[in-house]
Amino acid sequence: QQQVKQSPQSLIVQKGGISIINCAYENTAFDYFPWYQQFPGKGPALLIAIRPDVSEKKEGRFTISFNKSAKQFSLHIMDSQPGDSATYFCAASRMDSSYKLIFGSGTRLLVRP
Amino acid sequence: DTEVTQTPKHLVMGMTNKKSLKCEQHMGHRAMYWYKQKAKKPPELMFVYSYEKLSINESVPSRFSPECPNSSLLNLHLHALQPEDSALYLCASRLTDREYGYTFGSGTRLTVV
Repeated sequence: QQQVKQSPQSLIVQKGGISIINCAYENTAFDYFPWYQQFPGKGPALLIAIRPDVSEKKEGRFTISFNKSAKQFSLHIMDSQPGDSATYFCAASRMDSSYKLIFGSGTRLLVRP
Repeated sequence: DTEVTQTPKHLVMGMTNKKSLKCEQHMGHRAMYWYKQKAKKPPELMFVYSYEKLSINESVPSRFSPECPNSSLLNLHLHALQPEDSALYLCASRLTDREYGYTFGSGTRLTVV
């Protein structure tokens, strides 16, 4: 119930293409769903996050789609660029202060020039 | 200041050494976290401090000893580590408010020899 399942494990996209990463969760108590971007040797950086009361959130080229009934959410990266090449983690949490982030297993994205 | 600062960035220590990792934030966040990340894996929670009190210990071996001297500072004291403890150690913080997510530091790359 605590798991967040992420797919695919790796993804290769041509420059200008759309990158799509999917996550699924079981625990309906989760109420905060962030996506993190991590470059080698760096800490994860918050990319975009969504609450379950909305179905979509867009920030620039990054969009989260959220399906509460299916308990799934996905990250879409439009017009993917080589600089987007990184590892992406979805996560789930609750908003109370001490609750931990439950991370997905990660997706290594490579955007080819 | 919107950063979580971790020092040192890199640390090499012998199995008999005692060392400490430091994490600092000046965002007024009252929840602070230590995560451990092995290569190609998601971060794994170690400890949570909420209002300077330890609220979660994820069954971490006693050779790792956390400390939260004040609301801005979090330490991780290391003693008698094993080579398998080599990893990226990440600090994160979070405001105890429903509108804010986690901010991660860049981590300390620890190598135990």
